[in-house]
Amino acid sequence: GAGVSQSPSNKVTEKGKDVELRCDPISGHTALYWYRQSLGQGLEFLIYFQGNSAPDKSGLPSDRFSAERTGGSVSTLTIQRTQQEDSAVYLCASSVSVGNTEAFFGQGTRLTVV
Amino acid sequence: GENVEQHPSTLSVQEGDSAVIKCTYSDSASNYFPWYKQELGKRPQLIIDIRSNVGEKKDQRIAVTLNKTAKHFSLHITETQPEDSAVYFCAASGVFQKLVFGTGTRLLVSP
Repeated sequence: GAGVSQSPSNKVTEKGKDVELRCDPISGHTALYWYRQSLGQGLEFLIYFQGNSAPDKSGLPSDRFSAERTGGSVSTLTIQRTQQEDSAVYLCASSVSVGNTEAFFGQGTRLTVV
Repeated sequence: GENVEQHPSTLSVQEGDSAVIKCTYSDSASNYFPWYKQELGKRPQLIIDIRSNVGEKKDQRIAVTLNKTAKHFSLHITETQPEDSAVYFCAASGVFQKLVFGTGTRLLVSP
């Protein structure tokens, strides 16, 4: 079956613009994570969704960042008023449930803010 | 919340040597410890994981050990090959807890 799919693969935007990043998880996976990876750096947790539970937003770096997950499937990460420091690869992952099961990653969206 | 520390940040070995990467975690409730490999420009992929009810797990040239008392776990790669060169991430989580990653180890295997 299909893996985790993210779009777009690359996004170049001007400082101050809003961007939306999309993630299609593996069908049937109830958990969905967003991570950020700056160049040569680690995986910074942003947010996760688990079924119908309230999302864990504890990793969102500022109120310019938000995410939603509609119908328990597709998720959108929105960054408002982008800044140069937002430039990074944004990775989405899904798993059968949050916590102690394998997380499958998408290929990521490379965001460049100019 | 959970905090995972990983060492070393870089590791250079000769082909055929063994490589060991170590991680510590803070939350005693964590019970799942996966290891991911990320090749340059690629997505992270699971290579092995271990749960808290076992102390060691092997899969061909890779093995992971877990010491719950000390809250640390390690990745062992034997007979390293150039294609093992990548960044390796450890992680920890518990039931209904987010997956928290270490800072990564860049492994370079020289022929």
